[in-house]
Amino acid sequence: QKEVEQNSGPLSVPEGAIASLNCTYSDRGSQSFFWYRQYSGKSPELIMFIYSNGDKEDGRFTAQLNKASQYVSLLIRDSQPSDSATYLCAAEGGKLQFGAGTQVVVTP
Amino acid sequence: KAGVTQTPRYLIKTRGQQVTLSCSPISGHRSVSWYQQTPGQGLQFLFEYFSETQRNKGNFPGRFSGRQFSNSRSEMNVSTLELGDSALYLCASSGPGLGYNEQFFGPGTRLTVL
Repeated sequence: QKEVEQNSGPLSVPEGAIASLNCTYSDRGSQSFFWYRQYSGKSPELIMFIYSNGDKEDGRFTAQLNKASQYVSLLIRDSQPSDSATYLCAAEGGKLQFGAGTQVVVTP
Repeated sequence: KAGVTQTPRYLIKTRGQQVTLSCSPISGHRSVSWYQQTPGQGLQFLFEYFSETQRNKGNFPGRFSGRQFSNSRSEMNVSTLELGDSALYLCASSGPGLGYNEQFFGPGTRLTVL
């Protein structure tokens, strides 16, 4: 079992809708959580990080963390075709462990 | 400010050979992490260096090794290459005191083992 689990998708989202991505982790010692976006053929780029339980908003992105349930999520509001990418969830418990990623496809 | 650079960008080797990959972090960044990305296993942590010391290590065999120089540049070495080592090797650097909050990836080195 991978330490960080994500649905591989693809998650198809109509343009303008909300994309909801989920991630679970197994290491209760993980303290920090990260969401990366990776376009096809490109390197991952950090879009958000969260430490504390609750929500954290940055523009159209909202990260949610529930440590009791070992659950992290990312919401993308007003999805645009440019949001079509693979989204990687990562948990830090000393070292950074990545999930396999969820492919998001935003359809016009 | 220049980003993370990796050389070479593409590499073809045969089984049994060894390879050295290079990574130059963003100026002022002292932490360098290495990752292997494959379609089957995703992005996997190899090791992290900070101030020339290995700070963390992933679950890879001893054939994978690395080092960091005093100018924060880092190299990764893979000895006795196997077909399964074919992957995209990514290097990432982080600023002082910021940890993974400000981690930037390089473009990667695509290694093909024949």
